[in-house]
Amino acid sequence: EPEVTQTPSHQVTQMGQEVILRCVPISNHLYFYWYRQILGQKVEFLVSFYNNEISEKSEIFDDQFSVERPDGSNFTLKIRSTKLEDSAMYFCASTEGMGTRAPYEQYFGPGTRLTVT
Amino acid sequence: DQQVKQNSPSLSVQEGRISILNCDYTNSMFDYFLWYKKYPAEGPTFLISISSIKDKNEDGRFTVFLNKSAKHLSLHIVPSQPGDSAVYFCASSGGYQKVTFGTGTKLQVIP
Repeated sequence: EPEVTQTPSHQVTQMGQEVILRCVPISNHLYFYWYRQILGQKVEFLVSFYNNEISEKSEIFDDQFSVERPDGSNFTLKIRSTKLEDSAMYFCASTEGMGTRAPYEQYFGPGTRLTVT
Repeated sequence: DQQVKQNSPSLSVQEGRISILNCDYTNSMFDYFLWYKKYPAEGPTFLISISSIKDKNEDGRFTVFLNKSAKHLSLHIVPSQPGDSAVYFCASSGGYQKVTFGTGTKLQVIP
């Protein structure tokens, strides 16, 4: 069964460093998302992406964050200058889109654990 | 802001019995509701969904009920199995927009 994949599974970085988290969404999906979950808290939306542009973003997704779909398969989240409070699990998700059996159901990857020291 | 609430942080059920997980929401404009299951250190796994125009959706052992007048939905798992032990998140969506998650209910199914 097709699935969303994410790399790396765990990333440790120093405060102020740039990190890039990578995702490969399900191949025929059209909408892509990033979420995060700080330890002990609920899963929070960061950003949605469709047709090569951001369609919605949360207050968390400030100028330090950016997303890109550099080719036909990868979807990346970049944090330019990491802060201690960026430590969290980051989940990528995708959904099929209009005219499909499950147009709104988002499928999540296994996550990247980001630890900022 | 959209709010989805799961007031029970945990639930224990005997194997073979019914598990009922509850969720309340505040925004009548939600189009779609979803339930996700999550194991520690893994991503949420989609379980079942329901459109706001329906009041029930069933998939195998899982049934979701939607009561729009009460702004309440519930997930029934029958019969419960030990492998169902996980954190269950209720979530809402306005379509292709973000999914808003509740705080989760940790289900333990006792063999």
